Amino acid sequence: DGGITQSPKYLFRKEGQNVTLSCEQNLNHDAMYWYRQDPGQGLRLIYYSQIVNDFQKGDIAEGYSVSREKKESFPLTVTSAQKNPTAFYLCASSMYDEQYFGPGTRLTVT
Amino acid sequence: GQQVMQIPQYQHVQEGEDFTTYCNSSTTLSNIQWYKQRPGGHPVFLIQLVKSGEVKKQKRLTFQFGEAKKNSSLHITATQTTDVGTYFCAGVTGANNLFFGTGTRLTVIP
Repeated sequence: DGGITQSPKYLFRKEGQNVTLSCEQNLNHDAMYWYRQDPGQGLRLIYYSQIVNDFQKGDIAEGYSVSREKKESFPLTVTSAQKNPTAFYLCASSMYDEQYFGPGTRLTVT
Repeated sequence: GQQVMQIPQYQHVQEGEDFTTYCNSSTTLSNIQWYKQRPGGHPVFLIQLVKSGEVKKQKRLTFQFGEAKKNSSLHITATQTTDVGTYFCAGVTGANNLFFGTGTRLTVIP
């Protein structure tokens, strides 16, 4: 089945630790995105990539980093510099306009 | 900067009542998309509107795009419990950037 996978579904970390969230797609999509969603709020764009080896900052990139070494993969690292990392993180991909979302990773930092 | 506002933020309706959510952009959009996110799930694409004044229907859902391409609405006729979730609009600008609205959380009371 084609789709987007994110792992793990739930992630717990101690404050001060970096953590990397996985996002893989087998839809052959060129563009990939990372969003953050806080309770009761909309989606805020963290980073996006329109092609391999290239990515751009979104609205809230501070404290995050990404890489796009392969078309299928777009991992997100939440660094210790991110002041409020606890959130629901969604990865998406698209070929043209419509975005396909993964199931999300719920990160809790204590 | 680009903003896409949605109202209302929350809506509780009795099953069988109608529901409408409105989306307003600060700038003219090239097109607008609508997504639905079930509780605990991820956003799923519903539809895209491209033309000024366009109206599209999906069973009990009616989507409209304003004449000025700055606003849109989603209307659900005779809501059912399966309609519960958060509905997001997402405006696409000429630069092909997608801006998600704040979402409307719909609760349907049986």
